[in-house]
Amino acid sequence: DAKTTQPPSMDCAEGRAANLPCNHSTISGNEYVYWYRQIHSQGPQYIIHGLKNNETNEMASLIITEDRKSSTLILPHATLRDTAVYYCIGNPTGNQFYFGTGTSLTVIP
Amino acid sequence: EPEVTQTPSHQVTQMGQEVILRCVPISNHLYFYWYRQILGQKVEFLVSFYNNEISEKSEIFDDQFSVERPDGSNFTLKIRSTKLEDSAMYFCASSLRLADTQYFGPGTRLTVL
Repeated sequence: DAKTTQPPSMDCAEGRAANLPCNHSTISGNEYVYWYRQIHSQGPQYIIHGLKNNETNEMASLIITEDRKSSTLILPHATLRDTAVYYCIGNPTGNQFYFGTGTSLTVIP
Repeated sequence: EPEVTQTPSHQVTQMGQEVILRCVPISNHLYFYWYRQILGQKVEFLVSFYNNEISEKSEIFDDQFSVERPDGSNFTLKIRSTKLEDSAMYFCASSLRLADTQYFGPGTRLTVL
C-alpha cells in the first residue's frame, strides 16, 4: 500500500478555507487518491477522490500535483461541523483501504 | 441518498459469548467489508466479501470471526467467543466495484465485559 503522510493536526478559522496536505510518494500511476473524514467515532465519510486531474464536488476540492506524489484537500468555507479527522488514502490496495492516523482538523469560531 | 445501515448501535456482551453484528449494505453494491476501530486507534480492515465468499482478510480476522450474507440484503459479522480485546467500533462498508469508493455505515459499538 502507498504510505501517506499527513500533519497530525491543523486549525482553521470558521468561514476560511481549510487546506489539508497529504504526501503519497509511492502511489502508482493508476491508483486513485481518496479522502475520507471521521467525526468523533462515527463511520468514515467519503469526501472526494481523484486520479490526476483536480476534482471538485459539493463538499470539497482536490488538488493533485502533476507528479501525483502529493495532494491537497480544500474545504472552501470551513464550518464548525467540519471539525473531524481527515484521512488521505493513497492506495486502496485491492479490497482494503489503509487508514493512517490522519489530520485532526479543528475549526475555530 | 442510499446509505449503509448497521444494527445494533451498541452491543454489550459478556466475555466468551457469541455476538452477531448486522449490516444492510447499499442495495446495488456487490462488495462488502468489515472494519474495526479500537478506541483511540486507527480504523483497521477485517475482511472483504464478494460473490458469497471472502475475497480478502486481515490477520485480525482469525477463526473466531465469520461473515455471512444470509439473504439478499443483510451482511453479518459473527464473533464466536468474544474477548475483552474485541471491544471496538465495528464498521460495515460496501462498494459497487472492486477498488471503488467504499461507503461506511454508522458503526456498532461492541463492549465486552
